[in-house]
Amino acid sequence: DTGVSQDPRHKITKRGQNVTFRCDPISEHNRLYWYRQTLGQGPEFLTYFQNEAQLEKSRLLSDRFSAERPKGSFSTLEIQRTEQGDSAMYLCASSLGSNRPQHFGDGTRLSIL
Amino acid sequence: AQKVTQAQTEISVVEKEDVTLDCVYETRDTTYYLFWYKQPPSGELVFLIRRNSFDEQNEISGRYSWNFQKSTSSFNFTITASQVVDSAVYFCALSEAETGRRALTFGSGTRLQVQP
Repeated sequence: DTGVSQDPRHKITKRGQNVTFRCDPISEHNRLYWYRQTLGQGPEFLTYFQNEAQLEKSRLLSDRFSAERPKGSFSTLEIQRTEQGDSAMYLCASSLGSNRPQHFGDGTRLSIL
Repeated sequence: AQKVTQAQTEISVVEKEDVTLDCVYETRDTTYYLFWYKQPPSGELVFLIRRNSFDEQNEISGRYSWNFQKSTSSFNFTITASQVVDSAVYFCALSEAETGRRALTFGSGTRLQVQP
């Protein structure tokens, strides 16, 4: 049973560029979550999917952010026109059903130059 | 709105000491779930425990124990005979069942440093 996998581990980009992150959940987990974590803080919820349906989006998720989960398997999170404030660790988690423990990936650390 | 408060920003203990990490939560739901996660220096969040709002029994797992008290909206975590490997940031989190919000609301974390 492999865990949640995220790619890339690190991403450095210039302000204004677009970036895309990928998350592969634990197989048979139908729920997939994206969180953002900044230094010294707990993770903050961004959005989540049940299978391929995006069921909730946080107010933190501006129009520059979009997430997809085609076919209910892997998910991608895209940030367009990146800003300095987007620098953070982006965490993906998956779970088997609602209110079950969420299992997290190692995250993608985004640094904006 | 839901909220989780971990008032202790950082705790430093010497190996073999017992340590308790505090967690206070706020929610309007009567059905909810509480979690603890560990984030070691390597960065990955590791699930430790889930407790639902109807189960107030304390739980013990090896050197770890959890005390859930609805009367004070607290879900505290105690490590007995701490070890250097326990050094990490510990997060308490809440999810609500009635409002349909399935995401976790995390506290700001408590950094535990265990000195040899």
